[in-house]
Amino acid sequence: DQQVKQNSPSLSVQEGRISILNCDYTNSMFDYFLWYKKYPAEGPTFLISISSIKDKNEDGRFTVFLNKSAKHLSLHIVPSQPGDSAVYFCAASVYSGGGADGLTFGKGTHLIIQP
Amino acid sequence: NAGVTQTPKFRILKIGQSMTLQCTQDMNHNYMYWYRQDPGMGLKLIYYSVGAGITDKGEVPNGYNVSRSTTEDFPLRLELAAPSQTSVYFCASSSQGGGNEQFFGPGTRLTVL
Repeated sequence: DQQVKQNSPSLSVQEGRISILNCDYTNSMFDYFLWYKKYPAEGPTFLISISSIKDKNEDGRFTVFLNKSAKHLSLHIVPSQPGDSAVYFCAASVYSGGGADGLTFGKGTHLIIQP
Repeated sequence: NAGVTQTPKFRILKIGQSMTLQCTQDMNHNYMYWYRQDPGMGLKLIYYSVGAGITDKGEVPNGYNVSRSTTEDFPLRLELAAPSQTSVYFCASSSQGGGNEQFFGPGTRLTVL
């Protein structure tokens, strides 16, 4: 049973426009959410995170929104650039548990930025 | 800092063979993790460690073993390779637990034939 779902396997966006990547989760114990970016033949790299006590976190062109009641988060990239073409993984954890249970990942969304 | 390094980058094994995937980090992180990523899927946690001498199972530990004798190293052992273990393996580390930002290595692509 998937606890973190990314229902769009791929997304194509024109350069300069906004990219919106979505993620849903089912485990109400999750209280910390992260987005990772992955290029082919490389490991994932951390992009941005959000705690469940917030509903928005911004870092440059990247903003993550969290809707706890809907168990939904989204990553906005504005403006989209060619270097943003990659696979984006949504991940979640039970941060307040203090344990090291690792992250639960979604399947990823392949973002393609068209020139 | 090299961050998290993994060796080898690629490996082909025959069914029943064994091997060790190496992982080293130079950030003095206490927490280390092993994940596997199957095609079209997200990463799944195999084993994790909260410090030298302490390891625990993740979501998919069957067929694997780990050890943590030092802070820096966290090798993953496959004893009897099976085709179902064909995957890309990622090692990661973090300074804190609870899902704090994890730093990933470049991965090892393993094929079992």
